[in-house]
Amino acid sequence: SQQGEEDPQALSIQEGENATMNCSYKTSINNLQWYRQNSGRGLVHLILIRSNEREKHSGRLRVTLDTSKKSSSLLITASRAADTASYFCATSTNAGKSTFGDGTTLTVKP
Amino acid sequence: DAGVIQSPRHEVTEMGQEVTLRCKPISGHNSLFWYRQTMMRGLELLIYFNNNVPIDDSGMPEDRFSAKMPNASFSTLKIQPSEPRDSAVYFCASTLDPASGANVLTFGAGSRLTVL
Repeated sequence: SQQGEEDPQALSIQEGENATMNCSYKTSINNLQWYRQNSGRGLVHLILIRSNEREKHSGRLRVTLDTSKKSSSLLITASRAADTASYFCATSTNAGKSTFGDGTTLTVKP
Repeated sequence: DAGVIQSPRHEVTEMGQEVTLRCKPISGHNSLFWYRQTMMRGLELLIYFNNNVPIDDSGMPEDRFSAKMPNASFSTLKIQPSEPRDSAVYFCASTLDPASGANVLTFGAGSRLTVL
């Protein structure tokens, strides 16, 4: 089974709104990462948060990590139509094994 | 660097045929991962290598699947014999140091396999 589970499975918002996606995982991690996948393409790395960090920002992205709850959230502020994609969280163990969740499909309507 | 290069991009084959997917990781990266993506099962880790050595192949579905990494710049994923349920997009990804705590994966464009 996959390590991470994202919710919601699908999210549809209007351009300019914020989008929040959540990820839960099961075992101890070294870090947690978020990736984006456009239809028919490979995954592209967005942001990494280490297990000893609680929050991280990168441009319009904000990631939080709560290791006690084994959960993370990705916030995209002021969304754009170009943000339409699937977003995946990935957890990495100390041994370097990276496993992915099921993803959230985000649709941003212009 | 041209990134992670996978071939073929698309393959259509008949059940029972052998399929070989290829991957060239980013030069200097010492870890390589093979993933399979389907609508039903999402993105599954099949196997990963560190310094050309298989570290964890627990995700390989069955004996029909095998993966090799003969050198740092090349890996293959082979399915023999192929079955319709193997139809999926297969991704290869590489990273510099998987246990560093900053192991960002760089993905290839994927190989879309259809088994008729």
